[in-house]
Amino acid sequence: GENVEQHPSTLSVQEGDSAVIKCTYSDSASNYFPWYKQELGKRPQLIIDIRSNVGEKKDQRIAVTLNKTAKHFSLHITETQPEDSAVYFCAASRGSTLTFGKGTMLLVSP
Amino acid sequence: GAVVSQHPSWVICKSGTSVKIECRSLDFQATTMFWYRQFPKQSLMLMATSNEGSKATYEQGVEKDKFLINHASLTLSTLTVTSAHPEDSSFYICSAPQQGLGNTEAFFGQGTRLTVV
Repeated sequence: GENVEQHPSTLSVQEGDSAVIKCTYSDSASNYFPWYKQELGKRPQLIIDIRSNVGEKKDQRIAVTLNKTAKHFSLHITETQPEDSAVYFCAASRGSTLTFGKGTMLLVSP
Repeated sequence: GAVVSQHPSWVICKSGTSVKIECRSLDFQATTMFWYRQFPKQSLMLMATSNEGSKATYEQGVEKDKFLINHASLTLSTLTVTSAHPEDSSFYICSAPQQGLGNTEAFFGQGTRLTVV
């Protein structure tokens, strides 16, 4: 089955800095890569996603890049704000089953 | 986006009792739902896939007799933790996929915090 590795497990940045979270996947047939943000005690919320026919996607301060050959994808957050502090999960999907990475706890200090 | 409602949001039960958690897709039909378990500061661990009208598919290491799953309708899946013990205390969360244009997006319930005393 699919295996998703996510790094780093924790990431601390100063407000205004950029943050990058990286994931690798094992199943070359995976074709959909969403990123979720989970605040403490709440449900994960989709923040951005990318399909395998696209190399990069941007939505305001958030961008995701995908390298199909290397089987890795990354989340980039620019101009971080304290409200960006949360746990971020990457996932890979083929069909309806999502396999999640272990998560990255992002802490943005004012 | 689509709405998935999970109930209860928290429950405290005594050791040896059973607890039922409901997951409902409110504005779409879901033939498949997923149940996850999440320990503090850890990732979402897939426990089982709930299939409407048929048996659930359990992940390796998950006891099917302990975590009973029923998916009796296109909008409701239930997870029953039977004979609960303190080690079953955790955050349980369901998700339902909704097919979009070219991909499937997962919508999550709000989760259930189970504490077994």
